[in-house]
Amino acid sequence: DAGITQSPRHKVTETGTPVTLRCHQTENHRYMYWYRQDPGHGLRLIHYSYGVKDTDKGEVSDGYSVSRSKTEDFLLTLESATSSQTSVYFCATSGGGYNEQFFGPGTRLTVL
Amino acid sequence: DQQVKQNSPSLSVQEGRISILNCDYTNSMFDYFLWYKKYPAEGPTFLISISSIKDKNEDGRFTVFLNKSAKHLSLHIVPSQPGDSAVYFCAASATAAAGNKLTFGGGTRVLVKP
Repeated sequence: DAGITQSPRHKVTETGTPVTLRCHQTENHRYMYWYRQDPGHGLRLIHYSYGVKDTDKGEVSDGYSVSRSKTEDFLLTLESATSSQTSVYFCATSGGGYNEQFFGPGTRLTVL
Repeated sequence: DQQVKQNSPSLSVQEGRISILNCDYTNSMFDYFLWYKKYPAEGPTFLISISSIKDKNEDGRFTVFLNKSAKHLSLHIVPSQPGDSAVYFCAASATAAAGNKLTFGGGTRVLVKP
């Protein structure tokens, strides 16, 4: 099991406030990902990183930004939270190629 | 447009019987397919995968079948156990594309009745 932690695990915030979610890995994996899970949609990719300071957009990137200053940490920021961003957010890591992604425990975010 | 679809949102099966979960995809560039299992309040965990050069992969009670011409894969669980009750996600990857990204289906909730 890859060592992946997410913080916070739960957060309630108000519309318009900035929010930052943190993902930390101990596996030295090159790739890191942020997904959101919503009923009926499975997991949808928000942003991903293929190395330190190297990031790219996923399927649902509007309203989100990311940063990766160290191999082990990948931050997801909601610049100005909206109620549509209420969701469960999962971080994942991968060594690349024909390797599976390993997922963190998730962060439940509620935007009021 | 959803590139990976799981058309059955739920499935109920008796303990000891076979569970069959289905997944369809549209992108011909997908060449690696995975199944994940998810319990409530936990992250998804990897279950089994298959490369497009194969049509079957087996791991204990779990077998994945791939039909490339139909762009269809299925997961068989035999025999089903109560601990298999979870949400199962099908995922696909185009390994030649940048980022090693996965595209997920919407999930199938499996309930195994004792």
